[in-house]
Amino acid sequence: KQEVTQIPAALSVPEGENLVLNCSFTDSAIYNLQWFRQDPGKGLTSLLLIQSSQREQTSGRLNASLDKSSGRSTLYIAASQPGDSATYLCALTDSWGKLQFGAGTQVVVTP
Amino acid sequence: GAGVSQSPSNKVTEKGKDVELRCDPISGHTALYWYRQSLGQGLEFLIYFQGNSAPDKSGLPSDRFSAERTGGSVSTLTIQRTQQEDSAVYLCASSLVGSGYTFGSGTRLTVV
Repeated sequence: KQEVTQIPAALSVPEGENLVLNCSFTDSAIYNLQWFRQDPGKGLTSLLLIQSSQREQTSGRLNASLDKSSGRSTLYIAASQPGDSATYLCALTDSWGKLQFGAGTQVVVTP
Repeated sequence: GAGVSQSPSNKVTEKGKDVELRCDPISGHTALYWYRQSLGQGLEFLIYFQGNSAPDKSGLPSDRFSAERTGGSVSTLTIQRTQQEDSAVYLCASSLVGSGYTFGSGTRLTVV
């Protein structure tokens, strides 16, 4: 049974610092991995999708890496801003399309 | 449409009434999920539809909850005899296998 763990559960950094969010999983037989952002009381916004054959994806200040052999993905957010404050979730999809979420990392970026 | 559409966006209902929540997935997406999220809590899986396969209903919390997906497209989540603990945001997501999931904005259900 796939288990997805996100560490740390919460993170507070001053504006301008780089953010490093970790996601680990126990079964490397994944189809893809997706990082989401959730603002309080809102739905989930997809940030990056990494296919199982890929090692990383980049979008603006965001970079996500995937190492299937070690069961890890890392989301980097460069030069954090107060608007980056949110909960970040990683989710794995298997070949059937079934999703498995981590519990999330709650990020606060202080001005 | 361009995204996953959920309606209504907000619903206030009296305890004991039935409610129906609607999800319009992205056209062509074969996979559809329902989740719910109580205030300050994580995502709780409810039900998963994939193509013509039998849905995975293992997350439905009680027999008051049911869902259907007509014609492989629109899905309706029905809650019968609503209780106050049913108050939550109900989220729908759809995907074409391999393309990643897109979430709707959710329906905020309040049972009074």
